[in-house]
Amino acid sequence: GENVEQHPSTLSVQEGDSAVIKCTYSDSASNYFPWYKQELGKGPQLIIDIRSNVGEKKDQRIAVTLNKTAKHFSLHITETQPEDSAVYFCAASTGDKLIFGTGTRLQVFP
Amino acid sequence: AAGVIQSPRHLIKEKRETATLKCYPIPRHDTVYWYQQGPGQDPQFLISFYEKMQSDKGSIPDRFSAQQFSDYHSELNMSSLELGDSALYFCASSKRASDADTQYFGPGTRLTVL
Repeated sequence: GENVEQHPSTLSVQEGDSAVIKCTYSDSASNYFPWYKQELGKGPQLIIDIRSNVGEKKDQRIAVTLNKTAKHFSLHITETQPEDSAVYFCAASTGDKLIFGTGTRLQVFP
Repeated sequence: AAGVIQSPRHLIKEKRETATLKCYPIPRHDTVYWYQQGPGQDPQFLISFYEKMQSDKGSIPDRFSAQQFSDYHSELNMSSLELGDSALYFCASSKRASDADTQYFGPGTRLTVL
């Protein structure tokens, strides 16, 4: 079955810097790759997603890139703000259930 | 916009008791997914339903069962509860698409088994 690896497990940045989180997946049939932000005690919140027919997608300060050949995808957050601090999960799907990465705890220091 | 509703938000049970968790999907969504998240862990897929039929099954114990009703809400029934069942349980919903579905998560039910 699908296996998703996520790095780093923790990431600390200064406010205004960029943050990059990377994920790799194992199942070449996966065609959908969402990213979720989870704050303490809350449910995962979808922040951006990308499908296998697209290489890059951007939404304001957030961008995601996908390399199907290498089977990896990345989340880029620019101009980080303290409210970006949370746990971020990548996930992969072949069309139904999501297989999540192990999460990255991002801390943005003022 | 309306979101996924889960109830109860918190639940405390004793070992060997039963628990029922409820999920109300976003209006017009026809697919429901259940995930379990242990402390410091990523969400693990349990089971999903599309149009009231089970569509996929993950690592759901035999002690757990679930169903989706005609109004698309879903219930997760958990019996013979064990200490290890203590976790956050999330429901997500989606509108079935021709390719992968975009899933929106609810706020979760925190189950504590004593």
